[in-house]
Parts: sequence; C-alpha cells; structure tokens
Amino acid sequence: AQSVAQPEDQVNVAEGNPLTVKCTYSVSGNPYLFWYVQYPNRGLQFLLKYITGDNLVKGSYGFEAEFNKSQTSFHLKKPSALVSDSALYFCAVLQSSGNTGKLIFGQGTTLQVKP
Amino acid sequence: DAGITQSPRYKITETGRQVTLMCHQTWSHSYMFWYRQDLGHGLRLIYYSAAADITDKGEVPDGYVVSRSKTENFPLTLESATRSQTSVYFCASSDQLVAYEQYFGPGTRLTVT
Repeated sequence: AQSVAQPEDQVNVAEGNPLTVKCTYSVSGNPYLFWYVQYPNRGLQFLLKYITGDNLVKGSYGFEAEFNKSQTSFHLKKPSALVSDSALYFCAVLQSSGNTGKLIFGQGTTLQVKP
Repeated sequence: DAGITQSPRYKITETGRQVTLMCHQTWSHSYMFWYRQDLGHGLRLIYYSAAADITDKGEVPDGYVVSRSKTENFPLTLESATRSQTSVYFCASSDQLVAYEQYFGPGTRLTVT
C-alpha cells in the first residue's frame, strides 16, 4: 500500500535559519508527491508537487522540496525561515488505482519558527 | 470568486442526531473529496466523487453518506452521529485526478455531545 511518513511531530527553527521538514514515502511505481500547509483554523493549501523531471521542485512562499529516489524521501526545505512560516505541514502521495486516485497524507509536522 | 466553501463552519450536535455538512465549489471541478482531520491521524479520506452521481468510499466511510446530484455540491451526512465523529471535516476538489493538486475548503468543526 502507498504511504508517507513524517518522522517529526514538531520542528523548531530560529528565524533566518534554513528549515527542513522530512517526509519519506513507500509506493509501488512512480510516486506523485505533494506538500500542503495548514495555517491555524484554515484549510490546507497546496505548496508544491513532484510528478517527474527535476529532483528539486520549487513551490509557493519560497519553499522547495528535494525528491530522492534512492532514499525514498521528499523533504521540504526553505533557505531562510520566517515566523509566518509557522504552521502544520503535510506530505502526501497520490494513490492511483485504475481511473480513481486518492491523496494519502502523512500525520503532519508542526513547524515553529521563533524570532 | 468563492472557490470552495463549507457550511456550517461550526456545529454542535447530540449523539444519534442526523447532521449534514455542505460543500460547494465554483470551479466545476470533476472530483470532490471529504476528509476528516484528527490529532494523530492526519487527514483521512471518507468519500470521494469522480463526477455527478458517481461516488466511492475512502478509508473511513462507516457512518457517513454522500450524494452528488450536481457537480458543484457534495454534501456529507452523518446518519446517526456518534462521539467518535467529533472532528474537523474538510471538503476538497480537483480538476484532474492525476498530477493536479486538490483545493481545500476552510473546514467544518463538528462536536458530537
């Protein structure tokens, strides 16, 4: 079965420092991978996706993610964190079966950026 | 330019009552989804729909009913609410199934007492 894992419940970084939020995946076939962000009392917002092509994917708000097939990882990164980046981040994989598909989400990682 | 809306945003109901959560999207997206979000579980898919009059079960469908008579609406009904259904419910839509992102509504916080 397709799955993603986010090994850290919470990541703490200081403003201005680089941040990494980890995600590993387990899929059969080629993975379609996503990152979403959820701000307090809001719905999820799409950040970026990996379908094919370059292993470094750039997304919204200065975020990027690196696809690593050998390590089955898709870590979210940002060179310089902002306090406003503090939120809940979800990694997801698209599960395709015939002509249907579903997003399988990780359990989420809370990012806390301190001034 | 409402996008995707959910109503109500907050709901308190009693055990055994029927409650319907509404979802409406203005993009004419083919696909719509219902998720529930619980601490420690992330988001779990309840039901999804590929088009009007086409629905299918997700990971946790028990106790829920959906319908989709119009493309833009995808209501979720709890036929007889239980405390375990206390959760935050998110509706989402997608233009294409493969390779495109899903767009989420703001959520409905449901408390079953």
